Amino acid sequence: DVKVTQSSRYLVKRTGEKVFLECVQDMDHENMFWYRQDPGLGLRLIYFSYDVKMKEKGDIPEGYSVSREKKERFSLILESASTNQTSMYLCASSAGTGHEKLFFGSGTQLSVL
Amino acid sequence: GENVEQHPSTLSVQEGDSAVIKCTYSDSASNYFPWYKQELGKRPQLIIDIRSNVGEKKDQRIAVTLNKTAKHFSLHITETQPEDSAVYFCAASREPGGSYIPTFGRGTSLIVHP
Repeated sequence: DVKVTQSSRYLVKRTGEKVFLECVQDMDHENMFWYRQDPGLGLRLIYFSYDVKMKEKGDIPEGYSVSREKKERFSLILESASTNQTSMYLCASSAGTGHEKLFFGSGTQLSVL
Repeated sequence: GENVEQHPSTLSVQEGDSAVIKCTYSDSASNYFPWYKQELGKRPQLIIDIRSNVGEKKDQRIAVTLNKTAKHFSLHITETQPEDSAVYFCAASREPGGSYIPTFGRGTSLIVHP
């Protein structure tokens, strides 16, 4: 079965810190996604990548950047964390053309104090 | 871009009743409509999906219907059980350049009372 692993389940950071959220998938999937989940707001797309070194902005990219240096790894970067970035972050992957099913990681609950 | 509206935000039913969750979308180019279930503390998982060339799809107690003209689709759960309690997300997506990028609704919290 596909495994999408997020490096941390819980993370506490201070305002202004640079934060790295890591995601690794083990099924050679082409596409990787970062979503933010907030109560009542659903899953909102931050960034996605359809190939190594390729990235596209989602609906809420402000304050975030991403890196995909290797196919299996997709990193989300908060350059200067702010309290309004406190949230659950979900990584997902999908195989690519003709394979639309998303496989999600278990999420990282980030608290910015 | 795509906009997906989902209703209701909360749905409470008695065990054995049916539950219906409705979604509307804005982009007529959307052609793939998945539903994800997220149990408390767990990751979302795909439970059923439908493509725009199909009007209805069933899988045991769950079914999805699609009305392309009206741009809405619905999830139907029959004979609900307590283990159906979860947050359900609908999504709509199209295929720009070969990759499906889903836009999700805000979710429906389904509570099934024993």
